[in-house]
Amino acid sequence: GQQVMQIPQYQHVQEGEDFTTYCNSSTTLSNIQWYKQRPGGHPVFLIQLVKSGEVKKQKRLTFQFGEAKKNSSLHITATQTTDVGTYFCAGGNTNAGKSTFGDGTTLTVKP
Amino acid sequence: DAGITQSPRHKVTETGTPVTLRCHQTENHRYMYWYRQDPGHGLRLIHYSYGVKDTDKGEVSDGYSVSRSKTEDFLLTLESATSSQTSVYFCAISALGLDSYNEQFFGPGTRLTVL
Repeated sequence: GQQVMQIPQYQHVQEGEDFTTYCNSSTTLSNIQWYKQRPGGHPVFLIQLVKSGEVKKQKRLTFQFGEAKKNSSLHITATQTTDVGTYFCAGGNTNAGKSTFGDGTTLTVKP
Repeated sequence: DAGITQSPRHKVTETGTPVTLRCHQTENHRYMYWYRQDPGHGLRLIHYSYGVKDTDKGEVSDGYSVSRSKTEDFLLTLESATSSQTSVYFCAISALGLDSYNEQFFGPGTRLTVL
């Protein structure tokens, strides 16, 4: 079955440093979503990418979808303490109705 | 946040007892999902539903059953709870239309402890 791998598992940064998490799928995806989960909370949808090579930005967050639609990345510029949490990618197939989640990258930010 | 509630929010039960978790939505979304979240395993799909009385298994469905008799409610049942089913359970919903693809909206979660 489809597998989605996410690295790194943990990332500790100093406030102001950049952060990147990578997502790789064993199969070609129709789309990919990114979610953020704050400690003790539930996953919250951030964004969805559907086109090969797509790049989307949300303030300090930049999301990319690879040309082959098998990998994706999330980059945060100049991290802040509010960025703390676990970031998940989820690879989907349009007609399947379900997505496969990566194991997440947990970001901690030292003030 | 999307209109999703889960009940109960916390439950402690004993091995061998049946447990039912409820997910309720007010968004009229077609798709509903049950996930479990354990340290080091991210979110793993248990079962999902693509309509009333239409359900399918996920990657960790053994020991779980589901039912969906109304659009707004999706029930997850552990017929005989085991300690390995101690976890946080999340319900999610998705519209899955042409424009929405697979984006999912999650409920607040249920923390289940099986002693």
